[in-house]
Amino acid sequence: GENVEQHPSTLSVQEGDSAVIKCTYSDSASNYFPWYKQELGKRPQLIIDIRSNVGEKKDQRIAVTLNKTAKHFSLHITETQPEDSAVYFCAACLDGQNFVFGPGTRLSVLP
Amino acid sequence: DTAVSQTPKYLVTQMGNDKSIKCEQNLGHDTMYWYKQDSKKFLKIMFSYNNKELIINETVPNRFSPKSPDKAHLNLHINSLELGDSAVYFCASSQQVYAAGELFFGEGSRLTVL
Repeated sequence: GENVEQHPSTLSVQEGDSAVIKCTYSDSASNYFPWYKQELGKRPQLIIDIRSNVGEKKDQRIAVTLNKTAKHFSLHITETQPEDSAVYFCAACLDGQNFVFGPGTRLSVLP
Repeated sequence: DTAVSQTPKYLVTQMGNDKSIKCEQNLGHDTMYWYKQDSKKFLKIMFSYNNKELIINETVPNRFSPKSPDKAHLNLHINSLELGDSAVYFCASSQQVYAAGELFFGEGSRLTVL
């Protein structure tokens, strides 16, 4: 079955700096890679996703890159703000049948 | 209007008891899930239903029994609760099984077993 690894497990950055979170997956058949943000005590919410036929996607300060050959994908947050502080999860999925999540990265943005 | 709603939000109970968590989605999605989030924040899939049919059943003790009376509802019943069952249980739904769509989560049900 699919296995998703995620690094780092914790990340502290100064406000305004960039943050990068990396994930690797094991099943080359996976074709959908979403990123979720979970604030303390709240539900995970989708922030950006990428499909296997695309190498990069950007939405304002957030971007995701995918390297299918190496089976890894990354989340990039630029100009970080205190409200970006949360736990971020990557996931890999095949055809929507089974979303397998990484273990999460706790991001702290220091003012 | 809440898209995926689950009740109760909090459950505190003694070991050995039986409890249920209910989930409803008003998004018209075909697929619903139960995820368990433990104290280390790991999100692990437990079950997935598509149009009331079980399609994913991960290695979960058979004390956990999901039930989907229709495609808008997926309930979770837990028998003989154990300390290790303490976690936040998230219900989720998505639109497509064979072409992945966004996973929408409910607010979570925090279960504490004493």
